[in-house]
Amino acid sequence: GESVGLHLPTLSVQEGDNSIINCAYSNSASDYFIWYKQESGKGPQFIIDIRSNMDKRQGQRVTVLLNKTVKHLSLQIAATQPGDSAVYFCAERRDDKIIFGKGTRLHILP
Amino acid sequence: NAGVMQNPRHLVRRRGQEARLRCSPMKGHSHVYWYRQLPEEGLKFMVYLQKENIIDESGMPKERFSAEFPKEGPSILRIQQVVRGDSAAYFCASSPGQAGSPLHFGNGTRLTVT
Repeated sequence: GESVGLHLPTLSVQEGDNSIINCAYSNSASDYFIWYKQESGKGPQFIIDIRSNMDKRQGQRVTVLLNKTVKHLSLQIAATQPGDSAVYFCAERRDDKIIFGKGTRLHILP
Repeated sequence: NAGVMQNPRHLVRRRGQEARLRCSPMKGHSHVYWYRQLPEEGLKFMVYLQKENIIDESGMPKERFSAEFPKEGPSILRIQQVVRGDSAAYFCASSPGQAGSPLHFGNGTRLTVT
C-alpha cells in the first residue's frame, strides 16, 4: 500500500496567513520528495522538490522542510492567496516510481 | 503541465467496450508514467515505460489493462472489456529520466463507463 500521506483531509486558512501542509513517509530509503498542487479538473502541477541530502528548500512563496529523523515532510506557503486553493500532494520516489499520498485540500477563507 | 498532451479529455464507454487513452510526453522526455485517480483520492501508480520498454508495471491490473510506448507516436493505455469500476481519471506524466527530475503531468482523461 501507499506509505506517503499522514495528513489533514482539509485545511482552512485565512487569506494572507501562512499555510503549513504536513506529510509523513515510511520508507527511509526514499531519496527524493516532491510537492504537487492539483486544481479541479487538472493534472498535478509541480511546486517544489527536495533531495534527502537537504533539510530545507525555498521557492517563490513556498518552502519545503524535510525531517529525516521522524520521516516528515512539510510544505509552507507564505501569504496564502485565493489562487492557492487546491489539493496538495506530497510524493516520494521509491524504486524509480513516484508514489503519492492521498492529499490535503487547502481552503482559503476570505 | 501543458507540455504533456493527453487525449481524449473525456471518454465514455459502455461496459464491455475497449478504451484507448493516449499520451504525448513533453518534448525531449523519453519516460512515461500512467496513474489512476478516483474522486477525492490520490494518484495510484500503474505503469512506467521508456521507449519500447515497460520498466515497471507493478500497479497494473493483471487482466484487461495494457500499456505501450512505441518508438514513434504517443504512449497508449488500453483497457479491454471495461467495467464500471474502471471509471476514473487517468493521468500521464513524463520526465527526461534523470535522477531527481520531477514528473510533469497532463490534464488527464476522464473515463466514464456506463
